[in-house]
Amino acid sequence: SQQGEEDPQALSIQEGENATMNCSYKTSINNLQWYRQNSGRGLVHLILIRSNEREKHSGRLRVTLDTSKKSSSLLITASRAADTASYFCATDIYNTDKLIFGTGTRLQVFP
Amino acid sequence: DTAVSQTPKYLVTQMGNDKSIKCEQNLGHDTMYWYKQDSKKFLKIMFSYNNKELIINETVPNRFSPKSPDKAHLNLHINSLELGDSAVYFCASSQGGASTGELFFGEGSRLTVL
Repeated sequence: SQQGEEDPQALSIQEGENATMNCSYKTSINNLQWYRQNSGRGLVHLILIRSNEREKHSGRLRVTLDTSKKSSSLLITASRAADTASYFCATDIYNTDKLIFGTGTRLQVFP
Repeated sequence: DTAVSQTPKYLVTQMGNDKSIKCEQNLGHDTMYWYKQDSKKFLKIMFSYNNKELIINETVPNRFSPKSPDKAHLNLHINSLELGDSAVYFCASSQGGASTGELFFGEGSRLTVL
């Protein structure tokens, strides 16, 4: 079964708007990561947040982590058409080497 | 230079055939993975190797056999292909494993079984 569930499954916005994606997971983790996948391509790492961190920024990306609620969010500010992609959260299951991916959010940004 | 490269990018074959997918990474990483992405985009881990040693072997039919001749290569051989094996297979690598850092993915190998 999937470790992470993402919400929403699909999101359509206009360029310049912000996009927020949420991820919930089930077990204790060391870290949570977000990846982007453009259509027909491999996954690209965006950002990693450790279990003892609450918020992290990278350019237009802001990630939060709430370990008490077992949830994370990814905010993309001032979105661009080039941000159109699927976004996945991934968690490593504590004491294993497994990185388990969520169900993904398909983001469409219209020019 | 491509960091994680997979070949072939596309595979179309008949049920019952055997096929292989090759993966190479030039990042000097010690851990490599195979993931399967189905038609609904669900990504599921299949195997991981650390320095040629099998670390993760998920519930995968034994028709799937990974082989790691050295830490820069992880190949996937599939025997007696079935329709349900149709998917995109991704190779990935990391330094130190999933608990310590990011994974670098190849571009995927799309397998279609007819």
